Amino acid sequence: AQSVSQHNHHVILSEAASLELGCNYSYGGTVNLFWYVQYPGQHLQLLLKYFSGDPLVKGIKGFEAEFIKSKFSFNLRKPSVQWSDTAEYFCAVNARGPDKLIFGTGTRLQVFP
Amino acid sequence: DAGVIQSPRHEVTEMGQEVTLRCKPISGHNSLFWYRQTMMRGLELLIYFNNNVPIDDSGMPEDRFSAKMPNASFSTLKIQPSEPRDSAVYFCASRKGQVDTGELFFGEGSRLTVL
Repeated sequence: AQSVSQHNHHVILSEAASLELGCNYSYGGTVNLFWYVQYPGQHLQLLLKYFSGDPLVKGIKGFEAEFIKSKFSFNLRKPSVQWSDTAEYFCAVNARGPDKLIFGTGTRLQVFP
Repeated sequence: DAGVIQSPRHEVTEMGQEVTLRCKPISGHNSLFWYRQTMMRGLELLIYFNNNVPIDDSGMPEDRFSAKMPNASFSTLKIQPSEPRDSAVYFCASRKGQVDTGELFFGEGSRLTVL
């Protein structure tokens, strides 16, 4: 069965620090990969997605993620975080065929000014 | 577009009572998903529908949970009888098209507290 692991449960950073959130998945076939963000009190929103092509994908608000197939990873990065990036970040994987999106347990990011 | 609409936003009930959560997907979306979010387990997929037909309900915790989608614009998730461990935020999401073309759009969730 598919599974998604996010190893960082809670990350605390100061503004302007660089961010990298880890995401690993277990599935041997072709996958679609996503990062969703949930700002405090709001619903989940898509941050970025990878379906095929260039493994380095850019999303909204300066976020990017790199798909490394050999490592089954899809880590999220941002070179300089802002206070407004405080949110919970979810990695999600959809294996082609089963057509259901499986989420990791999330990483809570707190950015202090 | 109004987005995915869920009701109620908050529900507090006593153990043993029936709970019904409602969802209106975005018009034109043909897939609907119910997720449960807890601190311990994160976001768990409970069930999803494609063209109103339940495709995979393997995530439904037990027989106390049931979901229906009588038409393209409405779905319910029912818990009967409810238990304190059912306390969570329940999200509904919808999508247009297949998994490799469309993103999920989430509602704002229904926060359930079972006393």
